[in-house]
Amino acid sequence: GQSLEQPSEVTAVEGAIVQINCTYQTSGFYGLSWYQQHDGGAPTFLSYNALDGLEETGRFSSFLSRSDSYGYLLLQELQMKDSASYFCAFASGGGADGLTFGKGTHLIIQP
Amino acid sequence: DAGVIQSPRHEVTEMGQEVTLRCKPISGHDYLFWYRQTMMRGLELLIYFNNNVPIDDSGMPEDRFSAKMPNASFSTLKIQPSEPRDSAVYFCASSRQGHSGANVLTFGAGSRLTVL
Repeated sequence: GQSLEQPSEVTAVEGAIVQINCTYQTSGFYGLSWYQQHDGGAPTFLSYNALDGLEETGRFSSFLSRSDSYGYLLLQELQMKDSASYFCAFASGGGADGLTFGKGTHLIIQP
Repeated sequence: DAGVIQSPRHEVTEMGQEVTLRCKPISGHDYLFWYRQTMMRGLELLIYFNNNVPIDDSGMPEDRFSAKMPNASFSTLKIQPSEPRDSAVYFCASSRQGHSGANVLTFGAGSRLTVL
């Protein structure tokens, strides 16, 4: 079957660094995406990894290891506005298929 | 661009009633997706279209659910008859084939459905 596992909740301090892990299981794999969703809002795209390694976009970085079926999202210099849910997701059919999402990680940032 | 537009934003209805949710995708996007989000099940893909043609509806929970895309700028998700367990936020999203292979979905604001 297809599944993604990520922690349900993570707590961090403003200004710190936090890592949100994601492990996945699927028969076909075309890359791992990350989305952010604020309470009451819509998911918004953050990053995508097709190949192994680290992708950096400002304060956010995402990592993928295809051999380990594992990825993570790294958030640096945390700000209160980063309090949100973060979802990892994959497309298992050629990149154009609908994404399958994990259950999401609720990130709580304390001052 | 105004983004993906969904209506209504909120709908409260009684069990047994018909519910129709509407979506206008971003102009030029070839793909349209309908997702449902609940606390228990997270974000679930219900159905998606490519160039107005339904490609995969395996996520549609029951025959009570149906979706159409009569043209490139409009899609509907219909529930008839509605049941309390259908209460959820329904998101529409659109995308175009990413040149990098990434499928970047742009979501609408969602339609929050409450079935009493």
